[in-house]
Amino acid sequence: GPKVLQIPSHQIIDMGQMVTLNCDPVSNHLYFYWYKQILGQQMEFLVNFYNGKVMEKSKLFKDQFSVERPDGSYFTLKIQPTALEDSAVYFCASSLDSSGNTLYFGEGSRLIVV
Amino acid sequence: AQSVTQPDARVTVSEGASLQLRCKYSYSGTPYLFWYVQYPRQGLQLLLKYYSGDPVVQGVNGFEAEFIKSNSSFHLRKASVHWSDSAVYFCAVSATGNTGKLIFGLGTTLQVQP
Repeated sequence: GPKVLQIPSHQIIDMGQMVTLNCDPVSNHLYFYWYKQILGQQMEFLVNFYNGKVMEKSKLFKDQFSVERPDGSYFTLKIQPTALEDSAVYFCASSLDSSGNTLYFGEGSRLIVV
Repeated sequence: AQSVTQPDARVTVSEGASLQLRCKYSYSGTPYLFWYVQYPRQGLQLLLKYYSGDPVVQGVNGFEAEFIKSNSSFHLRKASVHWSDSAVYFCAVSATGNTGKLIFGLGTTLQVQP
């Protein structure tokens, strides 16, 4: 089936540094999402993105977070600066339509902030 | 507020046995309901979804789920499990028309013993 690729699969970073998580969505999909899962907790919605703009973001999407998809390339989540509580697995997803009824997820990027 | 409860963190069954994974949701409106599965080292994959109509929905690999509105439940079932069904199963809910903002449960780890 359709694949969403995430790079890197895992990364360890010093607190205060910047990190960029990359997502290669399904090729004809138009809607993109980031979810965050802290160890032992539920996966939680961070943000959705369409036509170059954030449509909705949750309270977890702090000011230090930003997303973009320049020129149809990777859909990225940037955290600058990182904090210890940003340690989590970040899942990217994409969907073809706006109802979000079938999201295709990547394998996740495990971020450890030390 | 929307929420999803999967009361069983881990379920162990023997190969060939029947299976039920429980899911209860909290949502005041008409929900969209989903079951996703995550196999080791892979992204989440959609098993099945329910919007309306027949409350019993069929999914891939012989899985089905039944929406019981009076009980706010959406339990996943399979008549006979295979060892390859071992994975983590997530129940999720979204508001009608909501653009990909899924509320996930904690997940249930299914281990199928040979």
